[in-house]
Amino acid sequence: KQEVTQIPAALSVPEGENLVLNCSFTDSAIYNLQWFRQDPGKGLTSLLLIQSSQREQTSGRLNASLDKSSGRSTLYIAASQPGDSATYLCAPHDYKLSFGAGTTVTVRA
Amino acid sequence: GAVVSQHPSRVICKSGTSVKIECRSLDFQATTMFWYRQFPKQSLMLMATSNEGSKATYEQGVEKDKFLINHASLTLSTLTVTSAHPEDSSFYICSAGTIPGGGDYGYTFGSGTRLTVV
Repeated sequence: KQEVTQIPAALSVPEGENLVLNCSFTDSAIYNLQWFRQDPGKGLTSLLLIQSSQREQTSGRLNASLDKSSGRSTLYIAASQPGDSATYLCAPHDYKLSFGAGTTVTVRA
Repeated sequence: GAVVSQHPSRVICKSGTSVKIECRSLDFQATTMFWYRQFPKQSLMLMATSNEGSKATYEQGVEKDKFLINHASLTLSTLTVTSAHPEDSSFYICSAGTIPGGGDYGYTFGSGTRLTVV
């Protein structure tokens, strides 16, 4: 069974700081890995999808890396803004999505 | 981009009644759909996987007779909570993908349904 761990569990930073969110997973036999954002009481919004053959993926201020062999992925958010406050979830795909507890980010204005 | 519509967003029902939640893929064919349950301040717990035209595969500990899943077409899956009780109150979310593993586009999630059983 795939186990997903996200560190830290929570993060509070002043606006403008860069964020580093870590994700580790136990089974490296994955198709790809997806990062999501969840706002309170809402569904999940896909941020980035990294295929298993890729090392990283970028979208705007977001960059995610994937080291499949070691079971790790990192999400970088540059120049954080208050609107980035949310819970971030990583989900490796091994036919089904597995989730960790997420990292709850608070960006203070 | 891919859009998944989930309805209703909120529902309150009386104990003992049944509630149906719909999940539709609006602009793509969803070969595979997943149903999740989320408790407050916890992560998503996979309940079942459904493939169009076949019976759903339930995760261990999920009662298939209580949580009926139907995936009759490539754009619609439904979750029916039968004989609901207060302990079934939760946030239910569906996700859909075109192929196992998500392919080039990954999985798209619905906006979730907040079920309250009174």
